[in-house]
Amino acid sequence: AQKITQTQPGMFVQEKEAVTLDCTYDTSDPSYGLFWYKQPSSGEMIFLIYQGSYDQQNATEGRYSLNFQKARKSANLVISASQLGDSAMYFCAIPHPRSSASKIIFGSGTRLSIRP
Amino acid sequence: EAGVTQSPTHLIKTRGQQATLRCSPISGHTSVYWYQQALGLGLQFLLWYDEGEERNRGNFPPRFSGRQFPNYSSELNVNALELEDSALYLCASSSPGQGTDTQYFGPGTRLTVL
Repeated sequence: AQKITQTQPGMFVQEKEAVTLDCTYDTSDPSYGLFWYKQPSSGEMIFLIYQGSYDQQNATEGRYSLNFQKARKSANLVISASQLGDSAMYFCAIPHPRSSASKIIFGSGTRLSIRP
Repeated sequence: EAGVTQSPTHLIKTRGQQATLRCSPISGHTSVYWYQQALGLGLQFLLWYDEGEERNRGNFPPRFSGRQFPNYSSELNVNALELEDSALYLCASSSPGQGTDTQYFGPGTRLTVL
């Protein structure tokens, strides 16, 4: 079964510093993908970045990059040069196999707070 | 290109009433997903519709139901509302041709049951 673990319930980071949000996963799929979403206090879930298990290079999207370590089953999100607007909940997610109950399983999230 | 839209933004009901939540997917997306996010908790999968059919549902009682219309918009109905149904309900859409099945979310409907 798919499982996503985010061990950091909350983090405080100084503005302009880089921050790493941890995510480990477990899956029975030989081919899978990892997603990261951001949820500000407004509630909307914003798609940030995706990494396929067979992608050769770590995914990057602007200030977001994925530190994907397949052997360790970890897919940490790195935010460079953090900004006040980065304060939000961050969720790591993995798709279920197509025959299972849901398409994406979300982790419990990490609340990131950026200090000015 | 317009994103996923949901209405209403907020909905206040009393116990025992029925609630109807609406979602319009991104143009070209045929799959719609519904999630419940109770206060302080993660997302719990509710329902998945694709091409007008219910493809799967999460571990929720039958009073949670919905449908998908020919234009791919969707409705979530919650009957016999209970206090614990108070939550943020998020709708997402995806396109089966994308390969990654990335789900794009709407702003949510915050349901309060009094």
